Amino acid sequence: EVQLLESGGGLVQPGGSLTLSCAASGFTFSVHGMIWVRQAPGKGLEWVSTIRTTATYSADSVKGRFTISRDDSKNTLYLQMNSLRAEDTAVYFCARRQFQVYSMDVWGQGTTVTVSS
Amino acid sequence: QSALTQPRSVSGSPGQSVTISCTGTSSDVGGYNYVSWYQQHPGKAPRLMIYDVSKRPSGVPDRFSGSKSGNTASLTISGLQAEDEADYYCSSYAGSYTWVFGGGTKLTVL
Repeated sequence: EVQLLESGGGLVQPGGSLTLSCAASGFTFSVHGMIWVRQAPGKGLEWVSTIRTTATYSADSVKGRFTISRDDSKNTLYLQMNSLRAEDTAVYFCARRQFQVYSMDVWGQGTTVTVSS
Repeated sequence: QSALTQPRSVSGSPGQSVTISCTGTSSDVGGYNYVSWYQQHPGKAPRLMIYDVSKRPSGVPDRFSGSKSGNTASLTISGLQAEDEADYYCSSYAGSYTWVFGGGTKLTVL
C-alpha cells in the first residue's frame, strides 16, 4: 500500500525550531518529487516547499527559515523549521508529486505544529 | 504567490449538479494546463480528484469533471451525493516547482 506518514509535530515557542519527518512506503520514493503543504486552523491549503532529486523550492513565507530535504536510503522526507512564528501554526502534510505530472496524488495524514509561548 | 480565488461556499440537492470556480492569473491557471482539484473531509487529508485540468485519477467517479477557460478553472460535480459534502480546493502549478492553492469552497449537500 502506498503510504506517507508524518511525525515530529508538537508545541514550540516562537523563535524555536522543529524538524518534521515523512516516512514513505509502498512506492519507489527516489523517483518522485515530494512536497510539504500546510493548513492553518480553519484555513485553506498553502504550498510550503518542494524537493526534486536535490533541487529545492520554497514559498516566500518560509524562505530562509524552512529547509526541505530527503534521504532516499531511508525513504524519508524532512522539513527543518527554524525561527518559528505564530503564523506557522498549522497541520503540515507531506505529499507525493504525481510522476511527471504537476499534482499531488498521495498525501499523509498530517502532523500538527503549534507555535505559542 | 497570491491564492487562487474560489467561492466560500456552494450548495445543491442530491442528484443536482454544482460548479465551483477557481480564478487565478496568467502566471498560474492561465499559463499552464496543470490545474488540480482536491477534496477534503473534516479532519482528513486532501484527496486528488482532478489533475491536468480535466483528468481523473483511477477511483474517482466520473461525476467529477474539470475544465478551464483563460484564467478560470472549474470543477463540476454532477449527480450530487451526500458523501460529496466536503471542502474543495483548486491548485495550479505556477512555474519553478511552485504551486498555489485556492482558499477552498465548502460544498453543502442539502
